[in-house]
Amino acid sequence: GAVVSQHPSWVICKSGTSVKIECRSLDFQATTMFWYRQFPKQSLMLMATSNEGSKATYEQGVEKDKFLINHASLTLSTLTVTSAHPEDSSFYICSATNLAGGLDTQYFGPGTRLTVL
Amino acid sequence: DAKTTQPTSMDCAEGRAANLPCNHSTISGNEYVYWYRQIHSQGPQYIIHGLKNNETNEMASLIITEDRKSSTLILPHATLRDTAVYYCIVRVFNDYKLSFGAGTTVTVRA
Repeated sequence: GAVVSQHPSWVICKSGTSVKIECRSLDFQATTMFWYRQFPKQSLMLMATSNEGSKATYEQGVEKDKFLINHASLTLSTLTVTSAHPEDSSFYICSATNLAGGLDTQYFGPGTRLTVL
Repeated sequence: DAKTTQPTSMDCAEGRAANLPCNHSTISGNEYVYWYRQIHSQGPQYIIHGLKNNETNEMASLIITEDRKSSTLILPHATLRDTAVYYCIVRVFNDYKLSFGAGTTVTVRA
């Protein structure tokens, strides 16, 4: 149980374009979803927290206008990287949870590798 | 959340038990110890968590010292597929956020 998927698993785009990454909870309702970014040889850094039906809360230093997060349903959250640049190339990972529903931790997706040329 | 300290890396032999230490000397009474691992180029995988009692599941055992200032994750029979970065994280139970440190890079060798 507690399976989270991400799509796509990898994406290559040109500088200046926007990219959307989907995160889905497959077998539970995710009241809260998180988005992380991980650069090579570094640990995961939390970017933002989103609760279903509410605006996302961004961590300090993360541009909310650049990284648009939508959590419109209990099973889907999307991260859109707008006007992507090479420095946005990274491994993006989502996670989901539902503490009120009995899940006592976050469950992670497999990640999306973004390469901006 | 309390900070954790883990060794940077460790090797272990396939088939043997792997004991991964974690120090969390400033842990508060309402903070749990969580363990995750991340296999290369994958999302983190939840392993186990505990408050003060030792815990065991199908993946591992978690031993927490009586003063709760340190813990050990035990992989009973390490396999090559257990090669990963292991993260020890302390957090308040009802606080969703996880703060990932550098973790311990565990390499299981045949």
